[in-house]
Amino acid sequence: QSALTQPASVSGSPGQSITISCTGTSSDIGGNNLVSWYQQHPGKVPKLIIYGVTTRPSGVSDRFSASKSGDTASLTISGLQTEDEADYYCTSYRHSSSPSYVFGTGTKVTVL
Amino acid sequence: QVQLVESGGGVVQPGGSLRLSCAGSNFTFGNLYIHWVRQAPGKGLQWVSAIHFDRSLQYYTDSAKGRFTISRDNSENTVYLQMNSLRPDDTALYYCAKEEPGSGGFDYWGQGTLVTVSA
Repeated sequence: QSALTQPASVSGSPGQSITISCTGTSSDIGGNNLVSWYQQHPGKVPKLIIYGVTTRPSGVSDRFSASKSGDTASLTISGLQTEDEADYYCTSYRHSSSPSYVFGTGTKVTVL
Repeated sequence: QVQLVESGGGVVQPGGSLRLSCAGSNFTFGNLYIHWVRQAPGKGLQWVSAIHFDRSLQYYTDSAKGRFTISRDNSENTVYLQMNSLRPDDTALYYCAKEEPGSGGFDYWGQGTLVTVSA
């Protein structure tokens, strides 16, 4: 099962905004709203930061926002801070004869 | 607070078997999915399997089909992943995660249990 496609790395300076894309197909991102994003710091457990395409869980900074257009989902981090330096993964439900979930390839965010 | 605790990892030879456990507490296991997600050393996250706790619906990634079996024990609030015919590329940290019902988001994760497949 092929992974969703994310850029390997994105960087920005403190205070800037960056956007991470996540490209799938009509069988996953384009076909449902079960799209989520996770933040993972080195050696740590992944943390849910967006679910249902655009919803932030309680306690997640409003500097994180997300959207979807067609087969591509996007995560935007506004007012970039040093603690945002981490790996970010998208995921989507994939409907087929054998339903599954699929993660993105992951994006390393570097704060310059 | 919600807690998920994995156990059962270890070192096993290629072709061997392991059974992972995921014990949950402080939440209702009923109408939700529990997922297994793995991460090979230095690599990204990979979804492995999921089970609906009430209806026992089971789903697997292609590489797990026929080798892994997910199950649950309602009385123990525990989900298991029986892994047979293990291969070196199954080496990873295996996390269990709880899905917020109907959201597709995995809102709570365990700390993971390490599986190493090596001769």
